[in-house]
Amino acid sequence: EPEVTQTPSHQVTQMGQEVILRCVPISNHLYFYWYRQILGQKVEFLVSFYNNEISEKSEIFDDQFSVERPDGSNFTLKIRSTKLEDSAMYFCASELGQGDSPLHFGNGTRLTVT
Amino acid sequence: QKEVEQDPGPLSVPEGAIVSLNCTYSNSAFQYFMWYRQYSRKGPELLMYTYSSGNKEDGRFTAQVDKSSKYISLFIRDSQPSDSATYLCAMKRAGSYQLTFGKGTKLSVIP
Repeated sequence: EPEVTQTPSHQVTQMGQEVILRCVPISNHLYFYWYRQILGQKVEFLVSFYNNEISEKSEIFDDQFSVERPDGSNFTLKIRSTKLEDSAMYFCASELGQGDSPLHFGNGTRLTVT
Repeated sequence: QKEVEQDPGPLSVPEGAIVSLNCTYSNSAFQYFMWYRQYSRKGPELLMYTYSSGNKEDGRFTAQVDKSSKYISLFIRDSQPSDSATYLCAMKRAGSYQLTFGKGTKLSVIP
């Protein structure tokens, strides 16, 4: 069964550094998402991406965050200047079509900011 | 009032028991309802997806939606130790890309 893959599984970075989290969505999916889950808290929506542009973003997704689909297969989340509170599991998800199809999640990247 | 409320548990049941997991929500605009299972340090795995009131069955799992009461449930029949995980409800408004999750219920099925 096709799956969403994320790399790395664990990323440690120092506060203030830039970090890029990478995802390969399911190949025929058209919508792409990033979610995060701070330890012990809910899974939270960050951003959705369709047709090479952001379609929706949450209040969490401020100017420090950006997304890109650089080559038609990868989907990346960049955090420009990491803060301690960015430490979380970051999940990539993809969806075949909006509205009537469910999201499929990757296994996440655990980001630790020290 | 939180948009989606889910009892975090933990819930512990003996093997073979019927498990009932529930979420309530306050936003009547939610139209699509999902249940995900999440094992420790893994991504959410889709179990059930519904968009209408009523029941939907898939193997040992039954999802129930009551839009008038703003209440959704997941029933697990003949529970197995491998069902031990955190169960997340999630829902989405029509026209929105954003899933709103409950906090998850941690389930342990004891052999």
